[in-house]
Amino acid sequence: DVKVTQSSRYLVKRTGEKVFLECVQDMDHENMFWYRQDPGLGLRLIYFSYDVKMKEKGDIPEGYSVSREKKERFSLILESASTNQTSMYLCASSSRLAGGTQYFGPGTRLLVL
Amino acid sequence: KQEVTQIPAALSVPEGENLVLNCSFTDSAIYNLQWFRQDPGKGLTSLLLIQSSQREQTSGRLNASLDKSSGRSTLYIAASQPGDSATYLCAVGPRSGTYKYIFGTGTRLKVLA
Repeated sequence: DVKVTQSSRYLVKRTGEKVFLECVQDMDHENMFWYRQDPGLGLRLIYFSYDVKMKEKGDIPEGYSVSREKKERFSLILESASTNQTSMYLCASSSRLAGGTQYFGPGTRLLVL
Repeated sequence: KQEVTQIPAALSVPEGENLVLNCSFTDSAIYNLQWFRQDPGKGLTSLLLIQSSQREQTSGRLNASLDKSSGRSTLYIAASQPGDSATYLCAVGPRSGTYKYIFGTGTRLKVLA
């Protein structure tokens, strides 16, 4: 079974802190994604990566950066957390060979005070 | 710009009913369409993936159909059970194959015992 894990289920941070969210997948997938999910707005793509060290901006990249130094790991960084970044963050991965099926991690609920 | 709509936003049915969830999209040039299930506070679980060349996919009590020309997909759940209670989301992958999925906001299903 494909497994996508996220470093934390719940996280509480203060405004201005630097926040790291880690995602690891164990199926050698080329593609990895970071989304945020907010009530009434659905899932919105922040960044995605189609290979090591490669990244593309999604629909809402402002205030975020990402890092993919190894194929299995994709990190989302909030350089200076703000209260409007309080949200559920979801990581996903997919293989180009599998026709694009996306597999999701359990999510990290981030609260910025 | 691709837009994905799921109506209704919420649905309650008695146990044992067969039901249909709807997903509409505005641009028929899609790569594939995926249906997910999300339990409260959790990540998304992939249910079915339909490639653009397919018309339907089945898994157990679930059947998903795709009609690209009309911009519609349906998820049919047979003999619903209380354990089927969850939010169901559809996501459309664009033809360019960039794997940037556009998500609907979901249908929240409650199956009453």
